[in-house]
Amino acid sequence: AQKITQTQPGMFVQEKEAVTLDCTYDTSDQSYGLFWYKQPSSGEMIFLIYQGSYDEQNATEGRYSLNFQKARKSANLVISASQLGDSAMYFCAMRGLYNFNKFYFGSGTKLNVKP
Amino acid sequence: ETGVTQTPRHLVMGMTNKKSLKCEQHLGHNAMYWYKQSAKKPLELMFVYSLEERVENNSVPSRFSPECPNSSHLFLHLHTLQPEDSALYLCASSQDGTESTDTQYFGPGTRLTVL
Repeated sequence: AQKITQTQPGMFVQEKEAVTLDCTYDTSDQSYGLFWYKQPSSGEMIFLIYQGSYDEQNATEGRYSLNFQKARKSANLVISASQLGDSAMYFCAMRGLYNFNKFYFGSGTKLNVKP
Repeated sequence: ETGVTQTPRHLVMGMTNKKSLKCEQHLGHNAMYWYKQSAKKPLELMFVYSLEERVENNSVPSRFSPECPNSSHLFLHLHTLQPEDSALYLCASSQDGTESTDTQYFGPGTRLTVL
């Protein structure tokens, strides 16, 4: 069975500092994809970053990077130089090769950026 | 219009009403999804369509009826809903849903309140 775990229900970070949001996953698939989404209070889920299980390098997208540790089955999101607009819910998600059309989402982490 | 759009953004309905939620994607994708997001619960996948054929129905009550007339449009028809159906309903689309790299892109959601 596929499972995503986000153990931090809420996080605070000071503006301009970096923050790491944790995500661990469980899967028996050899090939899978890991995703992070941001959900502001408006509700829309915004795609941030993707990491493939066979990618040797950690994914980066602007201020977002994914700290992928395959052996530990973790895919933590690192946000550098936090901005007030980064305050939102963040969801980690996974999609396996043999789970057609199924995305598995974690329970989310609410990030608050303090001025 | 770009991306994934949803209408209406907000909907209040009585338990005896019939209404429909509409989703449209302008990304040329072949797969579309309905999710339900209730307060303090993980995202629940409701329906999946690939090339206009329903490929997933996660034990959703029959008072929710999806329709996918073409790969760009997805509807969710609602009738005789219950107050516990109040939630944010998110639509998403992806390229084809067959690869682990397949990224889902979400619409802004419809916030539904059932009185």
